[in-house]
Amino acid sequence: GNSVTQMEGPVTLSEEAFLTINCTYTATGYPSLFWYVQYPGEGLQLLLKATKADDKGSNKGFEATYRKETTSFHLEKGSVQVSDSAVYFCALSSITGTASKLTFGTGTRLQVTL
Amino acid sequence: DAGVTQSPTHLIKTRGQQVTLRCSPKSGHDTVSWYQQALGQGPQFIFQYYEEEERQRGNFPDRFSGHQFPNYSSELNVNALLLGDSALYLCASSYLDSYEQYFGPGTRLTVT
Repeated sequence: GNSVTQMEGPVTLSEEAFLTINCTYTATGYPSLFWYVQYPGEGLQLLLKATKADDKGSNKGFEATYRKETTSFHLEKGSVQVSDSAVYFCALSSITGTASKLTFGTGTRLQVTL
Repeated sequence: DAGVTQSPTHLIKTRGQQVTLRCSPKSGHDTVSWYQQALGQGPQFIFQYYEEEERQRGNFPDRFSGHQFPNYSSELNVNALLLGDSALYLCASSYLDSYEQYFGPGTRLTVT
């Protein structure tokens, strides 16, 4: 079956540091890949997505590239801010083009300090 | 434009009881999915509804059931509650042919 593996947290960084959160996946076919963010007390928000190999998703300074050869979708940001403190979830959708069930990783908590 | 709304926000139930959670999708969305998020874990897919029918189902027992109404709103019912059902229940809505699912704030269920 489909699965997503994320690096364990928490990740603690100083403001303006470089962020990488690793994500690898196992899936049949050609899944779409997503990063969601969950701020304290809130639901999930879609941060970025990529629907085919070598696509780069980007939003709010965050980027991730769909690497089929390494089955990875690592999240990066060049300079984090305190406001980026949240839990980040990597996810995949196994049916391209339609709303389908999302398979999530366990989440990585990011804490950014001044 | 209101996003996805869920009610209630918090709920405390006793083992063996039954519970109903409610979800109103984002305006225009026709598909509703439900997820269970245990503490410290990622969300797990329960099921998805489209045109008032269950379209997909995850690995959850029959104690978990749902319904979608003609206005696309949805309910999640859980019977014979167990302590392990304590979790945050998330509703997500979307268009059937869209990748992007919009999540509500969730309902925190505590079973004692």
